[in-house]
Amino acid sequence: DADVTQTPRNRITKTGKRIMLECSQTKGHDRMYWYRQDPGLGLRLIYYSFDVKDINKGEISDGYSVSRQAQAKFSLSLESAIPNQTALYFCATSDAGLPFETQYFGPGTRLLVL
Amino acid sequence: AQSVTQLGSHVSVSEGALVLLRCNYSSSVPPYLFWYVQYPNQGLQLLLKYTTGATLVKGINGFEAEFKKSETSFHLTKPSAHMSDAAEYFCAVTAYSGAGSYQLTFGKGTKLSVIP
Repeated sequence: DADVTQTPRNRITKTGKRIMLECSQTKGHDRMYWYRQDPGLGLRLIYYSFDVKDINKGEISDGYSVSRQAQAKFSLSLESAIPNQTALYFCATSDAGLPFETQYFGPGTRLLVL
Repeated sequence: AQSVTQLGSHVSVSEGALVLLRCNYSSSVPPYLFWYVQYPNQGLQLLLKYTTGATLVKGINGFEAEFKKSETSFHLTKPSAHMSDAAEYFCAVTAYSGAGSYQLTFGKGTKLSVIP
């Protein structure tokens, strides 16, 4: 079984809808991250959490919110989806040590907002 | 603010030829540097990293990179390309940004094609 799983893997939604992307991990890591990937722009950090009680905004948090329900679960919500949030979303985890060091990525969720 | 520049969004090499993917960064504090690889329809996987110590770091699949502070570079190389190396490669930098926070920045990626 995969160490970092994301659900759903693909999602089509309409402008204005609320949508939640979920991430679960079995690696036992405290640190979890959400990124979006757009062609030609690389990965950009949306939110990150260094433990269950810690939530931090990344580079592009506007329009997104997160919830760290447990050490193993970190959800990303789009409260009111808009077309420019169409992207590939990745969840990642990392162990203790340097922040952002050696991240393990999930397979991604491809989101299309119409 | 830190930044990462990957020169060349697409690089093509012949099978067996040298692979050189370029990464330059800017950071006002000592950086930690990473290369990740993304195979089609997959998430990213760490290839190698530089944190402290030896400036020449070796990673998986025969890749290595050298941290050159004077040139603010962290170029990725492999002596002989294999067809399985075809993927997108991302350079990333993280550095301490003060008040207990770290900042992470990814480059825009370089897509490597290997020609038989």
